[in-house]
Amino acid sequence: GQNIDQPTEMTATEGAIVQINCTYQTSGFNGLFWYQQHAGEAPTFLSYNVLDGLEEKGRFSSFLSRSKGYSYLLLKELQMKDSASYLCAVRDGRDSSYKLIFGSGTRLLVRP
Amino acid sequence: GAVVSQHPSRVICKSGTSVKIECRSLDFQATTMFWYRQFPKQSLMLMATSNEGSKATYEQGVEKDKFLINHASLTLSTLTVTSAHPEDSSFYICSARGTETYEQYFGPGTRLTVT
Repeated sequence: GQNIDQPTEMTATEGAIVQINCTYQTSGFNGLFWYQQHAGEAPTFLSYNVLDGLEEKGRFSSFLSRSKGYSYLLLKELQMKDSASYLCAVRDGRDSSYKLIFGSGTRLLVRP
Repeated sequence: GAVVSQHPSRVICKSGTSVKIECRSLDFQATTMFWYRQFPKQSLMLMATSNEGSKATYEQGVEKDKFLINHASLTLSTLTVTSAHPEDSSFYICSARGTETYEQYFGPGTRLTVT
């Protein structure tokens, strides 16, 4: 089956750096996505990795190692508005739908 | 960027009634749409994949006779929750994938409350 693991909750301080890890055991891997979701809202796209390495996008960076089935999302210069859930999702390329399989999400609380 | 809308944003219905939720891609054609359900403090669970002009593909454990999906055009998919019960109360989110990209664009979600 498809299995994606993330920590349930994390707490960090405003201005600091936090790393949210995601490990996966899936079939038909076709890329890994990170989304941010505030309570009661739809997910918003943060990053996409399909090749090994680091993708940087402003305060957010995402890393992928396909051989290890591992990714992380790095958030720098944390702001209070970064308090949200962060969802790791693997795209399934076994059929033409290219559906996303989501992890359980990590709730991040940023404290002053 | 690509925009996906959902209607209604919130709905309250009585137990035993049916509710229809619409998902529209506003500025692109979507050959494939996805329906997710999200319970409080949980992640998105894929319910079904909807392809224009064909039957939806349901994930294991999702009752296709209870959650009716229709994808009649390249810009509209509907999810009908039939004979709703309080345990169907949830946040339902759709996403759409364009014809030339594998990226999914999410709608704003529909909060369903069954009393």
